[in-house]
Amino acid sequence: AQKITQTQPGMFVQEKEAVTLDCTYDTSDPSYGLFWYKQPSSGEMIFLIYQGSYDQQNATEGRYSLNFQKARKSANLVISASQLGDSAMYFCAMSPVLYGNNRLAFGKGNQVVVIP
Amino acid sequence: KAGVTQTPRYLIKTRGQQVTLSCSPISGHRSVSWYQQTPGQGLQFLFEYFSETQRNKGNFPGRFSGRQFSNSRSEMNVSTLELGDSALYLCASSGDLAGNTGELFFGEGSRLTVL
Repeated sequence: AQKITQTQPGMFVQEKEAVTLDCTYDTSDPSYGLFWYKQPSSGEMIFLIYQGSYDQQNATEGRYSLNFQKARKSANLVISASQLGDSAMYFCAMSPVLYGNNRLAFGKGNQVVVIP
Repeated sequence: KAGVTQTPRYLIKTRGQQVTLSCSPISGHRSVSWYQQTPGQGLQFLFEYFSETQRNKGNFPGRFSGRQFSNSRSEMNVSTLELGDSALYLCASSGDLAGNTGELFFGEGSRLTVL
């Protein structure tokens, strides 16, 4: 079974500052994928970034980067230069790649509020 | 390109009733998966359909069922509703599994309230 842990309380972030969201995971699968999604108040889940367990380099997508530390089983999301539109819930998720990537196990999420 | 469309967006039912939710995936996507989101349990995987076949199933009772049509549109049904079924039901679509970056495209969800 896969387990995702996100334990940070809600965060207030100053606009233009960077923020790091913690995510640790546990799995017995030899290969897996790690994801971050953003959920604004509208409810829609928005894909941010993906990291495969065999990827040597940390994934980056614009202002988003994933700090992947396989030995520590952590996959922290870094958002640089926060914007007001970044206010949302952020979910870390993983899937067993061997079985495809459409069955995701999600963490409980981190609430981020960006203040001007 | 139209996104994932879920209907209805909001609905209220009473215990014991049944409900059907619909999801139209992005054109060309053959995989549709469903998730339940509640404050207590968070996001939980319900099931996934690919080319009209259920490919994965989460740990939900048999009251939760789904199907996919030849045009990839999917429906999920919950029978004999319980108060605990109140949740946001999210549908997600993707093209296929092989070699992609894992991006699922989610709809805005159907918010079900059971009274």
